[in-house]
Amino acid sequence: DIQMTQSPSSLSASVGDRVTITCRASQGISYFLAWFQQKPGKAPKSLIFAASNLQSGVPSRFSGSGSGTDFTLTISSLQPEDFATYYCQQYNSYPRTFGQGTKVEIK
Amino acid sequence: EVQLLESGGGLVQPGGSLRLSCTDSGFTFTNYAMSWVRQAPGKGLEWVSSISASGGTTDYADSVKGRFTISRDNSKNTLYLQMDSLRIEDTAIYYCAKSGYGDPAYWGQGTLVTVSS
Repeated sequence: DIQMTQSPSSLSASVGDRVTITCRASQGISYFLAWFQQKPGKAPKSLIFAASNLQSGVPSRFSGSGSGTDFTLTISSLQPEDFATYYCQQYNSYPRTFGQGTKVEIK
Repeated sequence: EVQLLESGGGLVQPGGSLRLSCTDSGFTFTNYAMSWVRQAPGKGLEWVSSISASGGTTDYADSVKGRFTISRDNSKNTLYLQMDSLRIEDTAIYYCAKSGYGDPAYWGQGTLVTVSS
């Protein structure tokens, strides 16, 4: 199974900050990497697919990069509605696997 | 807009069974693979199972293999998860998810399954 490791597990940031979350796969997954946002009590929401492509309706302050084993999610200017938990997920092979999540909290 | 609505969750005793359903209100259900993803209380996301668009191919997490069965009825735009021999550790919110750009790309609101005596 492919292990997905996110870092950090949590972070505190202020509105307007630039935030970067990293995700590392235990083996190469090409660009088959997605990012999801989840707010408390809500279903996950898809943000990015194929490592760097924004889902429809996702604000442009979100961006993704990487290929192979190392990936990043960047929020260029953190907004109040962005405080949430973020998960990466590989869909290169089964079983699909998620990172453990990164909780973005208000400083 | 894709709308996925899960049903069938509830309280069940260890060793019991439950069948979850997920109805897709869109027009493209038959074209896409579907999945179930679960989230135990206070924990992260765990992929459970997936089924191809035709229903001919299925995959399962090791934690549920042999106990859970995924299926779909394309004439009813409905996905199912038959859960047998339930364990306390199966307690979670179960999300139905649809592939698209990414796999999954769309998520339902989830249904809570509680396994407890």
